[in-house]
Amino acid sequence: NAGVTQTPKFQVLKTGQSMTLQCAQDMNHEYMSWYRQDPGMGLRLIHYSVGAGITDQGEVPNGYNVSRSTTEDFPLRLLSAAPSQTSVYFCASREDRMNTEAFFGQGTRLTVV
Amino acid sequence: AQSVTQLDSQVPVFEEAPVELRCNYSSSVSVYLFWYVQYPNQGLQLLLKYLSGSTLVKGINGFEAEFNKSQTSFHLRKPSVHISDTAEYFCAVSGPGAAGNKLTFGGGTRVLVKP
Repeated sequence: NAGVTQTPKFQVLKTGQSMTLQCAQDMNHEYMSWYRQDPGMGLRLIHYSVGAGITDQGEVPNGYNVSRSTTEDFPLRLLSAAPSQTSVYFCASREDRMNTEAFFGQGTRLTVV
Repeated sequence: AQSVTQLDSQVPVFEEAPVELRCNYSSSVSVYLFWYVQYPNQGLQLLLKYLSGSTLVKGINGFEAEFNKSQTSFHLRKPSVHISDTAEYFCAVSGPGAAGNKLTFGGGTRVLVKP
């Protein structure tokens, strides 16, 4: 059982470039989300999805797009990378109930130069 | 809206000493509480969770946490730490809201265990 798989693990982008961070889960979870982790700020929610075809914004959505065409996949797109998007990105999935834990991917360390 | 405050950003501690990581939350409705651990260069994994019932919750690796509703706190403790407990620890709350069943994290506490 692979859990949550994120690719790539590391990425360096130039300002203005675009890219897609991939996230896949094999636990049939309805709820998936993307967080960014910055020192001292914990994890901040970027976008989330409560099922295939349904997405919504979190706390810090600007500069990012998501889509959810299948239950398994939830890619995050950076439209035009900026140095402020240098961060570690985590994808998580959970059952769509409040009392369940979230399962996290290993993270993508992104540097924008 | 719900929020989580972890009162210490860093906690240095000697091996075999006890450690307590403080977490306070605010919410206008009942919430569920979680502690996650992040080892270097890894994702987060669940340490323990409080859903209901006994206010003292035991988790993996000898950690435990106590839920205090009147003080809106969920402090994490371990009576004797090991070098391998060096990690970052996150408190989180889960509850209903505009963002669905949202999981809100505190800023994290970095624990450095010294020999």
